[in-house]
Amino acid sequence: AQSVAQPEDQVNVAEGNPLTVKCTYSVSGNPYLFWYVQYPNRGLQFLLKYITGDNLVKGSYGFEAEFNKSQTSFHLKKPSALVSDSALYFCAVSAFSGGYNKLIFGAGTRLAVHP
Amino acid sequence: DAGVIQSPRHEVTEMGQEVTLRCKPISGHNSLFWYRQTMMRGLELLIYFNNNVPIDDSGMPEDRFSAKMPNASFSTLKIQPSEPRDSAVYFCASSGDTMNTEAFFGQGTRLTVV
Repeated sequence: AQSVAQPEDQVNVAEGNPLTVKCTYSVSGNPYLFWYVQYPNRGLQFLLKYITGDNLVKGSYGFEAEFNKSQTSFHLKKPSALVSDSALYFCAVSAFSGGYNKLIFGAGTRLAVHP
Repeated sequence: DAGVIQSPRHEVTEMGQEVTLRCKPISGHNSLFWYRQTMMRGLELLIYFNNNVPIDDSGMPEDRFSAKMPNASFSTLKIQPSEPRDSAVYFCASSGDTMNTEAFFGQGTRLTVV
């Protein structure tokens, strides 16, 4: 079965410190991986995606993610966290099912950046 | 493009009433998804359409829930009759047809059934 796991319910980090939000996946075939962010009372916003090529993907708001095939991981990172980065983050994988593709989301990780 | 548009943004209704949520996807997108988000269950995929055809409705919780997509620019999610446990935020999302295209989400409808 194709799935995504986000092992941490919450990540706490001090402003200015680097942050990592973890994601592991299980898919058959080549993985297409995505990160989304959800701010309070808003819909999910696309941050970045991995399709092929360079394992380090850069996205919006200074975020980047590292694809690691051997560890089946796609961790989200940022060198220096901002208080405004506090939000709910979702990892997702594009899965081919029943002849069509659909996005499968992880449970989400709440990021809290403290001043 | 204005993005995915959902209406209403908020809905408060009494138990037993019919509720209809509406979604206008991004023009040109072939796939449309309905999700439900709650604190307890997180983000759940209810149903998704491809080219206006329902492909997978295995996430629809019960027969009280139904979804339609009469054309490429409009979809509805209906709950009849509504129950307090249906209270949640319902999101609509749309995407292109290929596996490497991201989905775009609407702002959501916050449903409260009292």
